[in-house]
Amino acid sequence: SQQGEEDPQALSIQEGENATMNCSYKTSINNLQWYRQNSGRGLVHLILIRSNEREKHSGRLRVTLDTSKKSSSLLITASRAADTASYFCATSGGSYIPTFGRGTSLIVHP
Amino acid sequence: GAGVSQSPSNKVTEKGKDVELRCDPISGHTALYWYRQSLGQGLEFLIYFQGNSAPDKSGLPSDRFSAERTGGSVSTLTIQRTQQEDSAVYLCASSLSLPDGGGLYEQYFGPGTRLTVT
Repeated sequence: SQQGEEDPQALSIQEGENATMNCSYKTSINNLQWYRQNSGRGLVHLILIRSNEREKHSGRLRVTLDTSKKSSSLLITASRAADTASYFCATSGGSYIPTFGRGTSLIVHP
Repeated sequence: GAGVSQSPSNKVTEKGKDVELRCDPISGHTALYWYRQSLGQGLEFLIYFQGNSAPDKSGLPSDRFSAERTGGSVSTLTIQRTQQEDSAVYLCASSLSLPDGGGLYEQYFGPGTRLTVT
């Protein structure tokens, strides 16, 4: 089964609103990453958060990690139409082989 | 600098034919991954190369799939006797490998090859 699972599967919001998506995982991790994918092509790395970190920011992105609950969230503030994409979390429990969830499909309406 | 490139971008083949997919990683990246993504699904790990070490082939779905990485750079994923269920986007990614080991490092993805088996 997938190590990381994103929730919700789909999210539809208006431009300017905030978007929150979550990732849950099953086993202990060294770090967790969030990626964005446009149009079913290559993924683009957004943020890496290590297991000893609780929160990280990058521009309009905020990632939190709760290792006690084995979950992470990605918050996109003041969303734009260009944020429309699929978002994936990837976890690694110590090997170099990451496990990706099925992703959250975000649609931002202008 | 140049990112990860993959060729071809699209490939349509008949069932039973062999196909080769190519990946050019970022120069200096010692780690290279192949993934498969079916429509609306997450990424399925296929194979991982790290430097001169033996590749981790644990994700290859059948013995029809194989991959090579020549000179620690370019990689080729070969699918023999293609089946319709092989239709998917095949993604390649490369990353640096840091000396402290373990964990997962930022991966740089290519644009993928969309394979359609008719």
